[in-house]
Amino acid sequence: GDSVTQMEGPVTLSEEAFLTINCTYTATGYPSLFWYVQYPGEGLQLLLKATKADDKGSNKGFEATYRKETTSFHLEKGSVQVSDSAVYFCALSLRSGNTPLVFGKGTRLSVIA
Amino acid sequence: NAGVTQTPKFQVLKTGQSMTLQCAQDMNHEYMSWYRQDPGMGLRLIHYSVGAGITDQGEVPNGYNVSRSTTEDFPLRLLSAAPSQTSVYFCASTGGVAGSLYEQYFGPGTRLTVT
Repeated sequence: GDSVTQMEGPVTLSEEAFLTINCTYTATGYPSLFWYVQYPGEGLQLLLKATKADDKGSNKGFEATYRKETTSFHLEKGSVQVSDSAVYFCALSLRSGNTPLVFGKGTRLSVIA
Repeated sequence: NAGVTQTPKFQVLKTGQSMTLQCAQDMNHEYMSWYRQDPGMGLRLIHYSVGAGITDQGEVPNGYNVSRSTTEDFPLRLLSAAPSQTSVYFCASTGGVAGSLYEQYFGPGTRLTVT
């Protein structure tokens, strides 16, 4: 079945460090890919998305590129801030119909000053 | 638009009690779903609905009931609460056009403790 695998956390970084959170997927169709962020005590918010191969999603300094050849959608940010501390979820959606999103298990990021 | 709203925000139940978690959306989305979030488990799908009058089970449906009488509302019922149902519950609705991108919008969550 369809699945998303993301690196296990927690990830702890110093402010201004470079961030990579790995995400790979398995899908029977041609999925759209998402990164969601969950700040402490809140629901999930869409961070960025990509709908086809080589698309780059970007938002708030975060980027991820849809790599069909490696079935990956790694999240990157060049310089993290304390306010980026959150849980990040990679997810996929098949466009063939109203099917549920498939989520990874989440990666907790802590950024220390 | 209010988006997706959930009530209550917090709830404590005793084992065996019943309750309904409310979820509403004002975006006219056909697709709605309920997830539970537990530490180290990510989000697990409980039930979902592709439109009024239609519901289906997700990955972890046992102990939960849903109904969808209107497009806007999708309540989740716990018939006899158990400590294993202690979790954070998220409702979501999905919007998009068939054949193109679907985006999922989440409510703020309900934190449920069963003692």
